[in-house]
Amino acid sequence: GAGVSQSPSNKVTEKGKDVELRCDPISGHTALYWYRQSLGQGLEFLIYFQGNSAPDKSGLPSDRFSAERTGGSVSTLTIQRTQQEDSAVYLCASSRTGSGGNTIYFGEGSWLTVV
Amino acid sequence: AQRVTQPEKLLSVFKGAPVELKCNYSYSGSPELFWYVQYSRQRLQLLLRHISRESIKGFTADLNKGETSFHLKKPFAQEEDSAMYYCALKGQGAQKLVFGQGTRLTINP
Repeated sequence: GAGVSQSPSNKVTEKGKDVELRCDPISGHTALYWYRQSLGQGLEFLIYFQGNSAPDKSGLPSDRFSAERTGGSVSTLTIQRTQQEDSAVYLCASSRTGSGGNTIYFGEGSWLTVV
Repeated sequence: AQRVTQPEKLLSVFKGAPVELKCNYSYSGSPELFWYVQYSRQRLQLLLRHISRESIKGFTADLNKGETSFHLKKPFAQEEDSAMYYCALKGQGAQKLVFGQGTRLTINP
């Protein structure tokens, strides 16, 4: 595709339910990032994948959050037992590699509302 | 630790007036600095990066290592500049971007 694709674009879920958010990066991009965008909190780094290397999970806020990347392409962010504070826009991004000088391209985001 | 601070959450100026969005960072090495912009109903996109030393849409930003700042400037604001602006830092050898909290810029007619 022409850009980073995310689904669903909007998700409303009940507190305590699990949700999965999907990201399809730009073809050929080996680096993939997940960020969370909350009102008044800016953009918070969650996790980074680069090729076959172990992911950088340093930004995941709790063990309820996990992500995987299958075949070096599509990624899924899973939030278990959702809480109201998980409500945010979850942004996926990709770049050709993770090194400096490569532009990071963002998707349109998945807006999650936990009620 | 890496940190990016954008002291203004909201900034409002009149069309034709100069604009300056402030960004200060905390990093001990030589960082890469970026400005990203998000227009209404559009995805976040790169506006400019300090290593390119370029002007995009009339915006420029100079890295001041002494003041650890990377302020974004435009001499004459236009209505289409209204958007959310994020300053971001990438540390040496790092892969992830660290973002500031963002500044919502509104250009009044």
